[in-house]
Amino acid sequence: DTAVSQTPKYLVTQMGNDKSIKCEQNLGHDTMYWYKQDSKKFLKIMFSYNNKELIINETVPNRFSPKSPDKAHLNLHINSLELGDSAVYFCASSQDTTGPTDTQYFGPGTRLTVL
Amino acid sequence: GEDVEQSLFLSVREGDSSVINCTYTDSSSTYLYWYKQEPGAGLQLLTYIFSNMDMKQDQRLTVLLNKKDKHLSLRIADTQTGDSAIYFCAETEGGSTLGRLYFGRGTQLTVWP
Repeated sequence: DTAVSQTPKYLVTQMGNDKSIKCEQNLGHDTMYWYKQDSKKFLKIMFSYNNKELIINETVPNRFSPKSPDKAHLNLHINSLELGDSAVYFCASSQDTTGPTDTQYFGPGTRLTVL
Repeated sequence: GEDVEQSLFLSVREGDSSVINCTYTDSSSTYLYWYKQEPGAGLQLLTYIFSNMDMKQDQRLTVLLNKKDKHLSLRIADTQTGDSAIYFCAETEGGSTLGRLYFGRGTQLTVWP
C-alpha cells in the first residue's frame, strides 16, 4: 500500500485555469506538507498543516490555497494558473515536526505543466 | 537556513566510492538529512545526522559532519548502477519545531558500469 499518494500524477492545463491536486497519507501522521520542485530540481516548502491547522505558509501567491479536510488529506488548489506554476509538486507527511524521528515521507509527485 | 549548496553532478564507475558534498549556513541546525530521488519518483530519506555527531555509518553509507565548516558529506561505498539518482542534502531550521526543511539543489549521481 502506498503511504503517501497524490493524484493526478500528471496535469497539463491552460493558463488561467483552476486546478486541484490531492494528497492522502495512510500513515496516521499528524503533519502534512506541500513542496514545489522547479525545473532545476530546487525543492522548496510551500505549506505545512498539523492536525488540519496551517503552521507553515511560505511566501506563496494567494492563488495557491491548501485545504485539509482531515488530517489524512491535504489538497492544493491553484487558481488562475500561470506559466511559472509549471513544476513538480510533492506532498509529504510526518508524525510530528520536531526531529529526525519525525521523518518526512514524500509522495511520488504531480508534474504540472501550464501551457 | 535557506542557503544549502551542493555540486550538481558526480560521475563514478561501478564499484568505486562516491562522495557527495554539501555546505549549509544555519549553525543552529539541529538535524541534517540526505534524501535520494530516483527518476520520476518522490524523495526517500536515506539517513540523517544529529548536529552533535561527527560521523554516522549505515551499511554502505557514511555521513561526515564538520560543524565548524558547516560541511556535510555522504559517502557511498561500492557504488552500484542502482545508486544513480539525485541526492539532496537538507537542514532543519535552527530552533524551529515547525518541521521546515531547507534543501540543496541536489547532486545528480551517475554510475557507469
